Amino acid sequence: QKEVEQDPGPLSVPEGAIVSLNCTYSNSAFQYFMWYRQYSRKGPELLMYTYSSGNKEDGRFTAQVDKSSKYISLFIRDSQPSDSATYLCAMIRNAGGTSYGKLTFGQGTILTVHP
Amino acid sequence: GAVVSQHPSRVICKSGTSVKIECRSLDFQATTMFWYRQFPKQSLMLMATSNEGSKATYEQGVEKDKFLINHASLTLSTLTVTSAHPEDSSFYICSARLAGGRRETQYFGPGTRLLVL
Repeated sequence: QKEVEQDPGPLSVPEGAIVSLNCTYSNSAFQYFMWYRQYSRKGPELLMYTYSSGNKEDGRFTAQVDKSSKYISLFIRDSQPSDSATYLCAMIRNAGGTSYGKLTFGQGTILTVHP
Repeated sequence: GAVVSQHPSRVICKSGTSVKIECRSLDFQATTMFWYRQFPKQSLMLMATSNEGSKATYEQGVEKDKFLINHASLTLSTLTVTSAHPEDSSFYICSARLAGGRRETQYFGPGTRLLVL
């Protein structure tokens, strides 16, 4: 079983729709939760990060973490064609030493927003 | 914002040759850099963690003699794929963490696409 599970999609929505992306994880040691956006043939860029449980909002993006369910979500409001990309969830354990800052990624969800 | 560059962006080589990929932090110092590999339609898999001035720490299953990592300065880390074979064809991405930076703050390079014929 993978430590982080993410539905690869693909997910196709019309412009203006609300998009919901999700990941589940199995290791309760994960404390830091990130969402990255990756355009084709490019490196990932950080969208949101959250420490422990709770919600965080940034413009059209909202990240939610539910540690009791080991479930994280990213919501995109008023989606735009420019949001079309692969969205990767990633997590970091609260650990030091050689594990400090090591990211564990989900598989990524391919999102297409069509006009 | 912090910028990380990779060179080359794309390389095609013959089987058996060695390929060196550079990862540079352009406007900040990075004590730690990470190297990832990404196969088509798959996620990023961490290969190794590179700390300036010390030996890299490799993930389980990654051959350290095949994937040589050097982090000689606070702005440069290199990954050399030795005796490359077609199964090494992949998208290689580095990330860099700001010296003294938060663990969740990593800046990714644009990636290097390697094709081994």
